[in-house]
Amino acid sequence: NAGVTQTPKFQVLKTGQSMTLQCAQDMNHEYMSWYRQDPGMGLRLIHYSVGAGITDQGEVPNGYNVSRSTTEDFPLRLLSAAPSQTSVYFCASSTTTRNEQFFGPGTRLTVL
Amino acid sequence: AQTVTQSQPEMSVQEAETVTLSCTYDTSENNYYLFWYKQPPSRQMILVIRQEAYKQQNATENRFSVNFQKAAKSFSLKISDSQLGDTAMYFCAFMKPSGGGADGLTFGKGTHLIIQP
Repeated sequence: NAGVTQTPKFQVLKTGQSMTLQCAQDMNHEYMSWYRQDPGMGLRLIHYSVGAGITDQGEVPNGYNVSRSTTEDFPLRLLSAAPSQTSVYFCASSTTTRNEQFFGPGTRLTVL
Repeated sequence: AQTVTQSQPEMSVQEAETVTLSCTYDTSENNYYLFWYKQPPSRQMILVIRQEAYKQQNATENRFSVNFQKAAKSFSLKISDSQLGDTAMYFCAFMKPSGGGADGLTFGKGTHLIIQP
């Protein structure tokens, strides 16, 4: 199993550009989520999904969109990037019991 | 909403010593999970140990153990015989179980642990 994979590993954007961060898991996990990590902070929840077709907002959802068309994939879209979205982004997945979250390697995003 | 507080931004100990990282949390839930994650410079999030709130027995994983005090809402991590490879950021995290509300993990701000040779 590859576990949770994220692409790209690094990305630089200009203000106003859009992009999609990819996340995929091959463990047949129902629950998937996106977090952002800023310096001096723990991870904060952006969006999550409890299954295909079902998504909901977390603590810091503004400026981000998600969709879940398959169990395996959970992309995160930045519609119009802003410097405040410069961060490291982590995707995670788990079974419905949620007693262990498996994290991807993260994407470092810089918005100029 | 839950909050998780780690009051030690940074700690430094000598190799082979024992170190304890503190974590307190606030919740009105009765059933939940608590976690300690390790984040080395590679930035990968690695699960160190997990505690289920309904279990009174403290979790242990080799050199890592917790002191879970539910009434005090305290969840400290003890690392015995510390090794250079333990140098990392350590995050305490809280999560409601499935059916307890569909939120994700709530993290503390982390403790930077440095193991000196």
